[in-house]
Amino acid sequence: EAEVAQSPRYKITEKSQAVAFWCDPISGHATLYWYRQILGQGPELLVQFQDESVVDDSQLPKDRFSAERLKGVDSTLKIQPAELGDSAMYLCASRSGQGNGANVLTFGAGSRLTVL
Amino acid sequence: AQSVTQLGSHVSVSEGALVLLRCNYSSSVPPYLFWYVQYPNQGLQLLLKYTSAATLVKGINGFEAEFKKSETSFHLTKPSAHMSDAAEYFCAVSGDTGRRALTFGSGTRLQVQP
Repeated sequence: EAEVAQSPRYKITEKSQAVAFWCDPISGHATLYWYRQILGQGPELLVQFQDESVVDDSQLPKDRFSAERLKGVDSTLKIQPAELGDSAMYLCASRSGQGNGANVLTFGAGSRLTVL
Repeated sequence: AQSVTQLGSHVSVSEGALVLLRCNYSSSVPPYLFWYVQYPNQGLQLLLKYTSAATLVKGINGFEAEFKKSETSFHLTKPSAHMSDAAEYFCAVSGDTGRRALTFGSGTRLQVQP
């Protein structure tokens, strides 16, 4: 079964350092999402891509967060500098937009960030 | 704009008992509704979805949910809980605007007692 790949699974960093997360969506999925999930809460959308274009980044803290999907395939989410409040699970999801699964988001296993 | 409210952050049932997890939604357009399950330190797995077809939706692992427009609800049920059902459950809504980013509820943690 096709999966959304994310790395690293776990990242511990000190505040003010830079961190980056990588996501490889299911092959052929044009839409890619990054969500942040703080412990004990539901996921919140950070950014949505359609192919290589940003569709929605209204909730992305742009002073420290950036996201790119240069070739419309894999994507990188960067935080610089990291703050204590950034400790969370970062989830990537993709959607095909076609067929029976058009409305379904498939999630990766996530990248858990701990900022010390 | 869309939102979901999950009533009860923690639900505890005995093994073999009925599971009922509550979700109410708010949407200005006909909603697409989803239930996802999350096990510790894992991503989210789709349980079931409602996309304007049948109002009673059956999902994986014996779960089902009923869309009730008059009550703006989409509660998740399972007739008989199993120990392996212990997890966090999230209700989510997506408006049919073409964007289809999901808005999630705050989650309900299900405990299953032996």
